[in-house]
Amino acid sequence: SQQGEEDPQALSIQEGENATMNCSYKTSINNLQWYRQNSGRGLVHLILIRSNEREKHSGRLRVTLDTSKKSSSLLITASRAADTASYFCATDVTGNQFYFGTGTSLTVIP
Amino acid sequence: DTGVSQNPRHKITKRGQNVTFRCDPISEHNRLYWYRQTLGQGPEFLTYFQNEAQLEKSRLLSDRFSAERPKGSFSTLEIQRTEQGDSAMYLCASSLPSFLAGSTDTQYFGPGTRLTVL
Repeated sequence: SQQGEEDPQALSIQEGENATMNCSYKTSINNLQWYRQNSGRGLVHLILIRSNEREKHSGRLRVTLDTSKKSSSLLITASRAADTASYFCATDVTGNQFYFGTGTSLTVIP
Repeated sequence: DTGVSQNPRHKITKRGQNVTFRCDPISEHNRLYWYRQTLGQGPEFLTYFQNEAQLEKSRLLSDRFSAERPKGSFSTLEIQRTEQGDSAMYLCASSLPSFLAGSTDTQYFGPGTRLTVL
């Protein structure tokens, strides 16, 4: 079974709005990563946050991690139509295996 | 293009046939991963190589599945006696080990091979 669960499953917003998606996981982790996947394509790495970090920024992306709640959030600010994609969190538990969540499908309406 | 490449991009086969997929990782990456992704789901880990050694295998990898990485470069994933339930996107990813990558383990994914079993 998959380690992570993203919430919501689907999100539709207007261009320029912020998008927030959440990830919950079950076991202790080394790090957590967020990936984007455009329809029918491979995954693109967005950002990695380590278990001893609480917040990271990369451009319009902001990721938080709360290890006590076993949860993470991804915030995309000032969304663009090109941000339309599925977003997955992936947890690194063993250093060799990565467990992906079920994904959040984001639609940004121009 | 120096990214991860996978061939073929699409494969349609009849149930019971064998299929083989190939993955060429980024040249300096010594870690290689195979995942399977079905519609509406996230990728599921199948197996992992460090150089030519297959170090981990998921329980999802039944005895009909075999993966190799003979020279520590490209890898192949073979599915024997395919079943309709094998229909999925098969993704390959590669990475540098953490101690070389400055304590990061970012996986770089290929475009995937979409398998349809009729």
